Amino acid sequence: EAGVAQSPRYKIIEKRQSVAFWCNPISGHATLYWYQQILGQGPKLLIQFQNNGVVDDSQLPKDRFSAERLKGVDSTLKIQPAKLEDSAVYLCASSLETGINSPLHFGNGTRLTVT
Amino acid sequence: AQSVTQPDIHITVSEGASLELRCNYSYGATPYLFWYVQSPGQGLQLLLKYFSGDTLVQGIKGFEAEFKRSQSSFNLRKPSVHWSDAAEYFCAVGDDYKLSFGAGTTVTVRA
Repeated sequence: EAGVAQSPRYKIIEKRQSVAFWCNPISGHATLYWYQQILGQGPKLLIQFQNNGVVDDSQLPKDRFSAERLKGVDSTLKIQPAKLEDSAVYLCASSLETGINSPLHFGNGTRLTVT
Repeated sequence: AQSVTQPDIHITVSEGASLELRCNYSYGATPYLFWYVQSPGQGLQLLLKYFSGDTLVQGIKGFEAEFKRSQSSFNLRKPSVHWSDAAEYFCAVGDDYKLSFGAGTTVTVRA
């Protein structure tokens, strides 16, 4: 099966600019996650979707970050405006369903550098 | 709240030697525990998981982990490492639907 696809692989922007990341989950996977991985830290969950509804966005900085999953398939994560501390790898993951029994499949991530 | 501590930031091991990575968790109930591996430029791959039952869990790539409730630990082991095991390893603890990851341990394998 095809894996989780993410684009772009790398992005360099200046602070206060905006940026968007795209994720295409594994076909048939109902649950989609966005994680932020800052250098030297483990991944931190930003937002979790079940189909096109939000399950958990408690750690999403909503003043600058937004995410959507239209039609319950692809998802985009946007940052506007970006700050220096947003420099990180943004990982998308999907699973067949919500619940700890359903394994997560990760994409290769988008590395964001904010200068 | 659940949390994970990986005490070792970086470990260097010789090829063919054994490897043990430490993981300590904090969780009020019976935890769901995971080990993931991340090779450079790639996403995370699940090595193994523990939900219940036998406390010694076998995973992929020759890895195993042992759950010790009394020590709140879930250490990862491999008897003989290969150069391809050089990567970053993350321990994670989960509740019904959410994972919390540790900061990771970077493993370097020397010839």
